[in-house]
Parts: sequence; structure tokens; C-alpha cells
Amino acid sequence: ELKVEQNPLFLSMQEGKNYTIYCNYSTTSDRLYWYRQDPGKSLESLFVLLSNGAVKQEGRLMASLDTKARLSTLHITAAVHDLSATYFCAVVGGEKLTFGTGTRLTIIP
Amino acid sequence: SQTIHQWPATLVQPVGSPLSLECTVEGTSNPNLYWYRQAAGRGLQLLFYSVGIGQISSEVPQNLSASRPQDRQFILSSKKLLLSDSGFYLCAWSVRAATNEKLFFGSGTQLSVL
Repeated sequence: ELKVEQNPLFLSMQEGKNYTIYCNYSTTSDRLYWYRQDPGKSLESLFVLLSNGAVKQEGRLMASLDTKARLSTLHITAAVHDLSATYFCAVVGGEKLTFGTGTRLTIIP
Repeated sequence: SQTIHQWPATLVQPVGSPLSLECTVEGTSNPNLYWYRQAAGRGLQLLFYSVGIGQISSEVPQNLSASRPQDRQFILSSKKLLLSDSGFYLCAWSVRAATNEKLFFGSGTQLSVL
């Protein structure tokens, strides 16, 4: 059974700081996704990572994938308030995605 | 372009009452369809997924059921709701066997069982 773990679960950080969210998964997979969810809203797709060593960046967010370590990271650079949200990673196993527990990120002015 | 419709947006139901949530997808054919539930402050739990009409896979034993009467229609039901059924329900679809497969989510239904 595929298990996906994220850490930290909660993260509060000041504007302008950098931080990394980690996503570990238990079985081999060649696709990993990062999603963002604002309170009371649906999920917005951020990144799709398809291969070992894949790195994608958009704005202040950068995601990477190490399939050998079964680890993905979401790095936040110089955080701003509008990045406050819950971030989920999700890993493909068979016909379905398994989601991590989510990381609730709060950016403090 | 593809769109996904999910309704209602908010629902308050008494314990023991029935439930029907509906999800439809436009602009694509033969999608994979999914129902997820998110309890307050928690992650997403896959409830059901479907790879075709009448084909339903259940991930978690519960008093909910799902049906796919048409290719682009996915329905989540219950005969008698429990308090523990409260949560945020999300329907999602994906293109089958796509190399760059993404999961697209509906707007969600906030269900409160009282």
C-alpha cells in the first residue's frame, strides 16, 4: 500500500524567509504532484514531476523529485503573504493518486 | 476545454438522512473519476474511483456508495448519513493513461451532518 508523508504539518514563517516542505512516499512511482488549497476552496495544481531529478519552478516555489530516495521537496523562496495555504503532495500508484497529509503554511507579515 | 461541475456547494443534513452528490465532466470522454473526502484540517482521503461506466472501486469501508451511470457522471450516495460523514467532498477527473496525467478537481461540497 502506497503511503505518502509530508512534513512539517504546520509551518508558520515570516515574510522574506526561505523554507522547504518535504514529501516522502513508500513505493516506487514515476509521477508526483504538488497542489495548493486555500481555505474552503478546491485544489489547484502547481507542479507535475515525472522523472528523477526533475525540477520545476514557478515564481517563489520550486519543486524537485528524487525517485531513488522517494522524496520530493517544495522550496519556498522569500515568502510572501499570498503564499499562505495548505500544500499537498500526491503520488501516483496504479490508477489513483494518494495524497500526503498536507502542510498548512502561514506567512506572517 | 474541459470543465468539471460539482453540486451542491454546501449541504446541511440531519443524521440518518440520505445523501446524493453529483459530479459531471464536460469536454472529455472516458475519464477516470474520483471522490475524495477531506475532514476539517486534514488531508484528502480517496473514497471511490472509477475507470469506466459501472466500474467502481471502493477504497475505504463505509456507509457511502458511488455510481457511474454515464461516462461523465459520478454520483456519491448514502442511505443514512452519520455524524462522521461530515467533511469537504471533492470530485476529480483525469485523462486515462496520459503520460502527463493531472488530476482536476471540482469546487467541492461542504457537507455538515447534524
